[in-house]
Amino acid sequence: AQKITQTQPGMFVQEKEAVTLDCTYDTSDPSYGLFWYKQPSSGEMIFLIYQGSYDQQNATEGRYSLNFQKARKSANLVISASQLGDSAMYFCAMRAYTGGFKTIFGAGTRPFVKA
Amino acid sequence: DAMVIQNPRYQVTQFGKPVTLSCSQTLNHNVMYWYQQKSSQAPKLLFHYYDKDFNNEADTPDNFQSRRPNTSFCFLDIRSPGLGDAAMYLCATSRDSGQGSDTQYFGPGTRLTVL
Repeated sequence: AQKITQTQPGMFVQEKEAVTLDCTYDTSDPSYGLFWYKQPSSGEMIFLIYQGSYDQQNATEGRYSLNFQKARKSANLVISASQLGDSAMYFCAMRAYTGGFKTIFGAGTRPFVKA
Repeated sequence: DAMVIQNPRYQVTQFGKPVTLSCSQTLNHNVMYWYQQKSSQAPKLLFHYYDKDFNNEADTPDNFQSRRPNTSFCFLDIRSPGLGDAAMYLCATSRDSGQGSDTQYFGPGTRLTVL
């Protein structure tokens, strides 16, 4: 069975500091993709970053980087230099080749960035 | 800009009164998805279309139907909304290959209220 686990429901983060959002996953499929989405209070799901299971290097997109540890089945999101606008819900998601079109989402983590 | 558009952003309906939510995309993606998201929960896939092929999730209630008249548009019909159907409804698209690397892009969502 495929599963995504996010165990941090919420956290406080000081502005300008880095924050790590944890994500672990489980799949028996060797080919899969891992995604992070940001969902502000407005509701839109914004795609942030993607990591493929065969990618040798960790993905980076601006202030976002994905700390991919395949042996541990973890795909933590690191946000550098936190900004007030980073306060939102963040979802880790996975799509496995054998899963067809289905993307599995975690429960989400909500960092609160304070000035 | 290419994007996923949902209308309306907010919809209020009465208990039992049919309602239709719409989604359009300018990405020319093959696959369109409908998700239901309740407060503080992860999105739940209701169904998806690959081109004109409709795929219903096993646990999606019969009360929910969908239409995709062409590549660009997809509709979600709720035949007899109940109070439990109040939620955010998210439309997403992907180019699709069925592989793990395919990213889903979401619209801004429609927030449905049932009175």
